[in-house]
Amino acid sequence: KAGVTQTPRYLIKTRGQQVTLSCSPISGHRSVSWYQQTPGQGLQFLFEYFSETQRNKGNFPGRFSGRQFSNSRSEMNVSTLELGDSALYLCASSFDQGEQYFGPGTRLTVT
Amino acid sequence: AQSVAQPEDQVNVAEGNPLTVKCTYSVSGNPYLFWYVQYPNRGLQFLLKYITGDNLVKGSYGFEAEFNKSQTSFHLKKPSALVSDSALYFCAVRDGSRGSTLGRLYFGRGTQLTVWP
Repeated sequence: KAGVTQTPRYLIKTRGQQVTLSCSPISGHRSVSWYQQTPGQGLQFLFEYFSETQRNKGNFPGRFSGRQFSNSRSEMNVSTLELGDSALYLCASSFDQGEQYFGPGTRLTVT
Repeated sequence: AQSVAQPEDQVNVAEGNPLTVKCTYSVSGNPYLFWYVQYPNRGLQFLLKYITGDNLVKGSYGFEAEFNKSQTSFHLKKPSALVSDSALYFCAVRDGSRGSTLGRLYFGRGTQLTVWP
């Protein structure tokens, strides 16, 4: 089975721009979660989707949003980028309530 | 509220020696516990989990972890460390109770394990 894939792997944006990151879960997994990883804050939960519904959200501003499609693929969007949004964004998928499997991440750099 | 503490930022061990990476947790309901490993510029790789059952859980690459409910700990262990085990290790917890915050994982800050030859 193919693992979780994330595109793009690397991204450079300037402040004020917006960005969309994509995640394809493992086949059969309906739950997709997103995390932000930074050296200062560690791993922080952004949101979780299940069957196209957001069922959990972390403490991030409204500039961070996401969605899930009927094929379980997910996207997250960050608008009005700030320097502090530079991070590794990780997507994870799981079957029911089991362990989460992570993708390689998207490294976002905001200049 | 759920939280995880990894009290050591760094653990250094000689190859061939046993290793332990410590983790304590706080969860309001039933703890579902996980260990992940991260190599440089990579995502997190699942090692093992405790949901229920035996307190000693065996996982990938010879790793195991012991669940201790009274001490709210879930330490990661390996009898004989390899240089290739050098990486960043994360402990995570989820509340497994019905009606909980479902899939959300709470992570520790991570422990950098270095195994020297």
